[in-house]
Amino acid sequence: DSGVTQTPKHLITATGQRVTLRCSPRSGDLSVYWYQQSLDQGLQFLIQYYNGEERAKGNILERFSAQQFPDLHSELNLSSLELGDSALYFCASSVTLTYNYGYTFGSGTRLTVV
Amino acid sequence: KNQVEQSPQSLIILEGKNCTLQCNYTVSPFSNLRWYKQDTGRGPVSLTIMTFSENTKSNGRYTATLDADTKQSSLHITASQLSDSASYICVVSANNAGNMLTFGGGTRLMVKP
Repeated sequence: DSGVTQTPKHLITATGQRVTLRCSPRSGDLSVYWYQQSLDQGLQFLIQYYNGEERAKGNILERFSAQQFPDLHSELNLSSLELGDSALYFCASSVTLTYNYGYTFGSGTRLTVV
Repeated sequence: KNQVEQSPQSLIILEGKNCTLQCNYTVSPFSNLRWYKQDTGRGPVSLTIMTFSENTKSNGRYTATLDADTKQSSLHITASQLSDSASYICVVSANNAGNMLTFGGGTRLMVKP
């Protein structure tokens, strides 16, 4: 157990729908990062939050949004889902704003869009 | 543009054999390089992290090397086990305000009995 908790583990939904993925960082970690990993592809950085504020954006679609709450958990919202959004979604957390210390991944949420 | 290239893309070896995975990067300015192991359908797990001044770092049967001059790193796995079957990802961090990570595409290793 890495200490980073992601729910749900699996999600199956239809095209056009909206889903919310949840991530609880390790205790004490202030930064949360979201990644998408499509089948047989590398990890693609989506977005980073630090202590409730958005700090960096990667290749995140406009249909996707995220937020980090006062208790530091984060949610990734995916709307108007398309078949191509089927992927593993990982979050990671770290203590500081940077990646240099204690960067830990969760076990991921597998999203299947049918 | 920051890039991380890994080779080979995939590798099959027999149990007990050694193997070496390669990572070349163009990330600048360099901060650190990490190797992760990712089992199928699971989150990546850190194996090693190396900064500019470190040439080699070991974690059990895993040994990573770093040549900051040539911007190359390798991950050597000794006496492979079936449980080593996974993807190995090289990740390089830039030492700038954004401190962004650049991920390699990974090497998919299969260890056969």
